[in-house]
Amino acid sequence: AQRVTQPEKLLSVFKGAPVELKCNYSYSGSPELFWYVQYSRQRLQLLLRHISRESIKGFTADLNKGETSFHLKKPFAQEEDSAMYYCALSGDYKLSFGAGTTVTVRA
Amino acid sequence: NAGVTQTPKFQVLKTGQSMTLQCAQDMNHNSMYWYRQDPGMGLRLIYYSASEGTTDKGEVPNGYNVSRLNKREFSLRLESAAPSQTSVYFCASSVTGNTEAFFGQGTRLTVV
Repeated sequence: AQRVTQPEKLLSVFKGAPVELKCNYSYSGSPELFWYVQYSRQRLQLLLRHISRESIKGFTADLNKGETSFHLKKPFAQEEDSAMYYCALSGDYKLSFGAGTTVTVRA
Repeated sequence: NAGVTQTPKFQVLKTGQSMTLQCAQDMNHNSMYWYRQDPGMGLRLIYYSASEGTTDKGEVPNGYNVSRLNKREFSLRLESAAPSQTSVYFCASSVTGNTEAFFGQGTRLTVV
């Protein structure tokens, strides 16, 4: 079975402060991991995936297989980063999501 | 550029009524998914279809059925709606199970 855990439901940070969203997973095989974002009144969309190792909108995420984690980080939060963030794992032909973290960036 | 289209956007049902949520994608994707989104629970997978002609249960399949009508369309049916099925439902598709998924705009369903 595959499982994704996001321990923080809510995260509030000040503009310009660093932000880190935690994600842990369990999966017996080699996982594909993703971060998706849902801005207010918009569709859920891909933010980044571990295999591409790229930075999107200043966000990065590193896959740590030893700790089975895929935490999302951004050094300087912006107000437009306020959104719901989901960590997701793809395995056995299905895509499973965590419970999500709502991020609020305050001015 | 339609992408993933869900109908309807909003629906109110009475307990015991049935309905079908429709989903279609025009990206020639193999995999399609149905999720429900509830506060504090995130997105939970109801059913998925890895390819045309196949469907499998996800985390919360009870009370639902699906049909992969063809490569484009994947419908979700509630045979006898219950208040616990009040939720926002999302359809998604991807080329394969481990590629980027594209989402519909969601269906807000209320069962009274």
